[in-house]
Amino acid sequence: KNEVEQSPQNLTAQEGEFITINCSYSVGISALHWLQQHPGGGIVSLFMLSSGKKKHGRLIATINIQEKHSSLHITASHPRDSAVYICAVRPQGKLIFGTGTLLAVQP
Amino acid sequence: GAGVSQSPSNKVTEKGKDVELRCDPISGHTALYWYRQSLGQGLEFLIYFQGNSAPDKSGLPSDRFSAERTGGSVSTLTIQRTQQEDSAVYLCASSPQNTEAFFGQGTRLTVV
Repeated sequence: KNEVEQSPQNLTAQEGEFITINCSYSVGISALHWLQQHPGGGIVSLFMLSSGKKKHGRLIATINIQEKHSSLHITASHPRDSAVYICAVRPQGKLIFGTGTLLAVQP
Repeated sequence: GAGVSQSPSNKVTEKGKDVELRCDPISGHTALYWYRQSLGQGLEFLIYFQGNSAPDKSGLPSDRFSAERTGGSVSTLTIQRTQQEDSAVYLCASSPQNTEAFFGQGTRLTVV
């Protein structure tokens, strides 16, 4: 079993829909990261969380440390949000990555 | 520079040759990570540096792979006697201690 599990693996949405991507992990962590990777592009850090909730524009990330679970929400989704979204956890030092969620937002 | 810089951006090499990949982290970042991403696959951890020492080398796939970091800054990942299965995008990231990680654009390695 992977230490970081994401769901769904693939997600297709219509423009304007509310999107949720989930991440569950099995190790103790000091922080959790949400990353975005566009096709052929580099990786961009969206959020780093150790507790609670963070919001940046249309993106919201939450984490429940007790349940070892985090969610990334996208409100009013747009085709430019199409990318791979990756959850990563930091136990000590290194980052451990989930396999990513491929999101396609159709106009 | 303003971000993590990796060079070369693309490298095509013949099977059996050695290659060196370079990462220039953001100035002052103590942690440096090497990952690789094979076509259609997720990110695979290779090695992690804290300063010049590597407390976690567990991801290096074989003894053909090695990495060093000097002066708490530049890091070099060396792959000896390259094989076709080494073809991947090699990503470097750096961060201040226990904070957000910043990724380079990667080096696309193709072994022919």
